[in-house]
Amino acid sequence: GQNIDQPTEMTATEGAIVQINCTYQTSGFNGLFWYQQHAGEAPTFLSYNVLDGLEEKGRFSSFLSRSKGYSYLLLKELQMKDSASYLCAVSPTGANNLFFGTGTRLTVIP
Amino acid sequence: DAGITQSPRHKVTETGTPVTLRCHQTENHRYMYWYRQDPGHGLRLIHYSYGVKDTDKGEVSDGYSVSRSKTEDFLLTLESATSSQTSVYFCAIGGNYGYTFGSGTRLTVV
Repeated sequence: GQNIDQPTEMTATEGAIVQINCTYQTSGFNGLFWYQQHAGEAPTFLSYNVLDGLEEKGRFSSFLSRSKGYSYLLLKELQMKDSASYLCAVSPTGANNLFFGTGTRLTVIP
Repeated sequence: DAGITQSPRHKVTETGTPVTLRCHQTENHRYMYWYRQDPGHGLRLIHYSYGVKDTDKGEVSDGYSVSRSKTEDFLLTLESATSSQTSVYFCAIGGNYGYTFGSGTRLTVV
């Protein structure tokens, strides 16, 4: 089976940095994804990691450690518009679909 | 994203009635997926398709059926709607390298 864990809620201050963690246990591993989902909207793709290390894309970075079954999403210079849910998803080996965690709802306060 | 559309966007139906949700894509993707999203559960796979007339079950397929008669269209049918099927339904296209999601259908069964 697949198990993906991430915190349910987080709060951070505008302009600050926040790290959202994700741990996973899956039958094989083919990549890890982060999606952003604003309330009432569809998830949108943020990042994809398949090798260990840090991937940086503007204010957002994503890190992966396959040996630890661990990833994090780092958001810098937080803006009010970053208030959203952040979904961690894993692609197991041999599967044709993604498995999602329950999501982390981030609230950015002034 | 104009490449994938869902209809209807909102629907209220009565318990015991059949309901069909439609997903239409213009990207010629082989794989299409139906997920439901509920608080505390995240996105869970209902069914997916890997080609015309080729479908398979996901983790929460009971009470749902699907059909794919054309590459562009993937239909999700609730044969006899129940209150436990009140949810937000997302269609997605892609594969184990990531998804693009439709805008979602909010279904309420009363």
